[in-house]
Amino acid sequence: AQSVTQPDIHITVSEGASLELRCNYSYGATPYLFWYVQSPGQGLQLLLKYFSGDTLVQGIKGFEAEFKRSQSSFNLRKPSVHWSDAAEYFCAVGNTGTASKLTFGTGTRLQVTL
Amino acid sequence: NAGVMQNPRHLVRRRGQEARLRCSPMKGHSHVYWYRQLPEEGLKFMVYLQKENIIDESGMPKERFSAEFPKEGPSILRIQQVVRGDSAAYFCASSPTSGATYEQYFGPGTRLTVT
Repeated sequence: AQSVTQPDIHITVSEGASLELRCNYSYGATPYLFWYVQSPGQGLQLLLKYFSGDTLVQGIKGFEAEFKRSQSSFNLRKPSVHWSDAAEYFCAVGNTGTASKLTFGTGTRLQVTL
Repeated sequence: NAGVMQNPRHLVRRRGQEARLRCSPMKGHSHVYWYRQLPEEGLKFMVYLQKENIIDESGMPKERFSAEFPKEGPSILRIQQVVRGDSAAYFCASSPTSGATYEQYFGPGTRLTVT
């Protein structure tokens, strides 16, 4: 069965500092990978996705992620964090079967200090 | 183009009552997914529906929970005889077609509190 692990429950960074959020996945075939962001009391917004091709994918709000098959990882990065980036970040893997359901990690809560 | 709409946004029910959660997908989307988010946890898949069909309900609890997506109108997630453990945020997502390459657009969620 597919699974996603986000080892960091809570991360605090200073505004302007770089950010890396970790994500490891388990999936039998080529994974479809996603990063979503959730602000308090809100739904999820897609930041970026990986299906195939270039292993470095660019997303919205200045985020990027790199797919590393050898490490089963899909870490999210941002070179300079803004206070408005404080939110919960979820990594997810999608299957290629009929269901197309997403399996989410438990999330990483990002706090940004000024 | 309006996004995925869910109502109500907040729902309070007493133990034993029924909860009905509604989801209107984005215009042109015929695929609906329901997820549940328990406090301090990630989202867990519950059910995937197309118009008038349940495609995958592998994440649905065996009892008290049901879902439908009729030909006309919103998708409904129904929870009968609610218990405190049902308190959670329930998110609906929609996509234009199936396949993981198509983004799922999420609604704002319904936060269910069982007292």
